[in-house]
Amino acid sequence: DAKTTQPTSMDCAEGRAANLPCNHSTISGNEYVYWYRQIHSQGPQYIIHGLKNNETNEMASLIITEDRKSSTLILPHATLRDTAVYYCIVSPRDTGTASKLTFGTGTRLQVTL
Amino acid sequence: DSGVTQTPKHLITATGQRVTLRCSPRSGDLSVYWYQQSLDQGLQFLIQYYNGEERAKGNILERFSAQQFPDLHSELNLSSLELGDSALYFCASSVESLPSVQYFGAGTRLSVL
Repeated sequence: DAKTTQPTSMDCAEGRAANLPCNHSTISGNEYVYWYRQIHSQGPQYIIHGLKNNETNEMASLIITEDRKSSTLILPHATLRDTAVYYCIVSPRDTGTASKLTFGTGTRLQVTL
Repeated sequence: DSGVTQTPKHLITATGQRVTLRCSPRSGDLSVYWYQQSLDQGLQFLIQYYNGEERAKGNILERFSAQQFPDLHSELNLSSLELGDSALYFCASSVESLPSVQYFGAGTRLSVL
């Protein structure tokens, strides 16, 4: 699986957009980008995933560069409840029924008043 | 609520003992994954079962074993426990078509004294 690089920590003011970057320069053609987050010691929570097009759901937007070597997760209006560790993961698309998620160290996002 | 149920929430035991952690996946999900999260190792994949069969294996110790039953619930057995086994253990489940979109339970916190 491709390796990802994320900043260790970021701060964001409540109500502002949080833009979390991820580098995955060795991503291969069959690998998707997935984002998860973990609030305190709760179970990780799936946020969004994409291959090459930008994606949006009720939680966030995912912007993937044209060369697919990096991506940005955008939380449009961050709230205190969004304070968490955010993990960017790349995983092959054609895994059949076998898959594992390889979590790195993630980005610790602190949302402040 | 992810729909994945893990019991017990907390477990305190002594070195050398054996414990069993239980996981019920979301309704309809055939895959169950186990992850370990310790302070020094982060979130690590242990093992995956799909419809009762082992499908993928991570860095799972020989003292650890798992199984998935016909009703699709899974158990993770940890034996000859050591202090270093103290960690959060998460179970996740996924649908067949999207194995990398995994839904995590709230975890079992194991303390080995």
